[in-house]
Amino acid sequence: KAGVTQTPRYLIKTRGQQVTLSCSPISGHRSVSWYQQTPGQGLQFLFEYFSETQRNKGNFPGRFSGRQFSNSRSEMNVSTLELGDSALYLCASKSDSSSYEQYFGPGTRLTVT
Amino acid sequence: GENVEQHPSTLSVQEGDSAVIKCTYSDSASNYFPWYKQELGKGPQLIIDIRSNVGEKKDQRIAVTLNKTAKHFSLHITETQPEDSAVYFCAASNGWSFGNEKLTFGTGTRLTIIP
Repeated sequence: KAGVTQTPRYLIKTRGQQVTLSCSPISGHRSVSWYQQTPGQGLQFLFEYFSETQRNKGNFPGRFSGRQFSNSRSEMNVSTLELGDSALYLCASKSDSSSYEQYFGPGTRLTVT
Repeated sequence: GENVEQHPSTLSVQEGDSAVIKCTYSDSASNYFPWYKQELGKGPQLIIDIRSNVGEKKDQRIAVTLNKTAKHFSLHITETQPEDSAVYFCAASNGWSFGNEKLTFGTGTRLTIIP
């Protein structure tokens, strides 16, 4: 089975711009979560989607949003980028609401200049 | 909310020796404790996990122990090899009940195996 895939792998944006990141979960997985990883804050939960519904959201400003499509693929969007948004954005999937194991993709490295 | 502390932040061991990484958690409702290994340029890889109804779990050279009373859990790697060098993260969650579908991570341990 193919793992979680994320595109693009690297991205450079300018302050004030917006960005959309994409995640394709493992085939058959219906839950997708997004995490931000930075050297200072570590791994922090952004939000989780299951069957196109956001079920949980972390403590991030409204500039961070996401959605999930009927095929379970997910996108996250960051508007009005700030320098502090530079991070590795990780997507993780798990099969359904009753499963525990969560599998991560390789991440998208976002640099804001 | 849940808070997970992880120690040490860095660990160097001689090849063939054992490595132990420890984590504590704050939320007594947490019942799932995975460990992830992250290599440079890659996403975290699930290497072992344990649920609260189990005290210990082993998979070849890797084992995890859980003490629910003390709210701490540990990762044990025996017979370490150079390919074990990576950053290891512990995490906790309270079972994926609706509205709680998230992992809270420790701050990571950079493990270096000295040949």
